[in-house]
Amino acid sequence: QKEVEQNSGPLSVPEGAIASLNCTYSDRGSQSFFWYRQYSGKSPELIMSIYSNGDKEDGRFTAQLNKASQYVSLLIRDSQPSDSATYLCAVSGGNTGFQKLVFGTGTRLLVSP
Amino acid sequence: SAVISQKPSRDICQRGTSLTIQCQVDSQVTMMFWYRQQPGQSLTLIATANQGSEATYESGFVIDKFPISRPNLTFSTLTVSNMSPEDSSIYLCSVDIFRAREKLFFGSGTQLSVL
Repeated sequence: QKEVEQNSGPLSVPEGAIASLNCTYSDRGSQSFFWYRQYSGKSPELIMSIYSNGDKEDGRFTAQLNKASQYVSLLIRDSQPSDSATYLCAVSGGNTGFQKLVFGTGTRLLVSP
Repeated sequence: SAVISQKPSRDICQRGTSLTIQCQVDSQVTMMFWYRQQPGQSLTLIATANQGSEATYESGFVIDKFPISRPNLTFSTLTVSNMSPEDSSIYLCSVDIFRAREKLFFGSGTQLSVL
């Protein structure tokens, strides 16, 4: 079982819609959770972090964490074509230790005008 | 965040040669990390570079193949030694700016192609 799993996509949504990206992780002791956005040919960019159960909102982005289900998600409201990118879920803490991020393989998001 | 400069941005190398990648940060950081991203894959941690001590390598990565230097709190190098086509990848330097909550920020990456 992979430590961090994501659907590779592509996830296609029309402009203005809500994009929902999901991630599951295997290490129940994980403490910190991150979403990175990676445009093609570019390095990952941190867009959200979440550390406790529930929702965390930042502009059009909402991260949701459910530690009991070992599930973290990212919602993008009012999706724009500029949001088209690969979104990487990353997890740290637990058995991997702090400051060692384990990344999922990413979900490719396509937002059509 | 911080400004993380990485060079070279890309290189094409011959089999059997070595390439050293440099990472410079505009502020002092305790920990620097080197990741590899193979084509179509996610990021895999190669090693953690600590100032004043030996780098800590992850399973599957060894110092002879990926020697790392960390001479001060703003600079690190990763060398890819005796390269083969399987080393073709993007190599990324990252730093932990806010130590308390493990947020990592990445350099622009080095695209390496080995012929």
